[in-house]
Amino acid sequence: AQRVTQPEKLLSVFKGAPVELKCNYSYSGSPELFWYVQYSRQRLQLLLRHISRESIKGFTADLNKGETSFHLKKPFAQEEDSAMYYCALEGFNKFYFGSGTKLNVKP
Amino acid sequence: GAVVSQHPSWVICKSGTSVKIECRSLDFQATTMFWYRQFPKQSLMLMATSNEGSKATYEQGVEKDKFLINHASLTLSTLTVTSAHPEDSSFYICSAREGQGWTEAFFGQGTRLTVV
Repeated sequence: AQRVTQPEKLLSVFKGAPVELKCNYSYSGSPELFWYVQYSRQRLQLLLRHISRESIKGFTADLNKGETSFHLKKPFAQEEDSAMYYCALEGFNKFYFGSGTKLNVKP
Repeated sequence: GAVVSQHPSWVICKSGTSVKIECRSLDFQATTMFWYRQFPKQSLMLMATSNEGSKATYEQGVEKDKFLINHASLTLSTLTVTSAHPEDSSFYICSAREGQGWTEAFFGQGTRLTVV
């Protein structure tokens, strides 16, 4: 069965510190992986997807099929990065979300 | 990015009544729309997927007679919670995409339903 796991509910770091938000998945086929972000009082929006291999707002994520992981990383966190981050998997035109990690970047 | 609008943003209704939530894609044609339910401090749970002009596909455990989904046009999908009960109180979110696969899904702002 498809599943997306985000083990950390809350991650607090200081400004300028590196950040890694963990995501592991289980899926029988070849999924498309995404990271979505929700800033305070705003709707969910796409941050990045694995197929595009791009860096958005300094964030990157590498799909590791061997470890079935898609961790989100940023070398130097900024206060404006504070938000809720959701890892998502798409398969057969359906999206499945992890439980989310709240990132708190302290000044 | 494209805009998906949900209406209403919040609604309070009495037990036993039905509530309709609308999801509109404002500047693109939504081939596929998704409906999610989110409990406090929990993830988005996919309820159903609907393609324009066809019946919605419900996830296991979601009552199709309870949560009626209609996707009659390429810009509008509706979710009707029938005979609502307090346990149906939740945050309902829709998302929409143009095409299938590899295309971005855009999210509505969500609807807070409270059944009293």
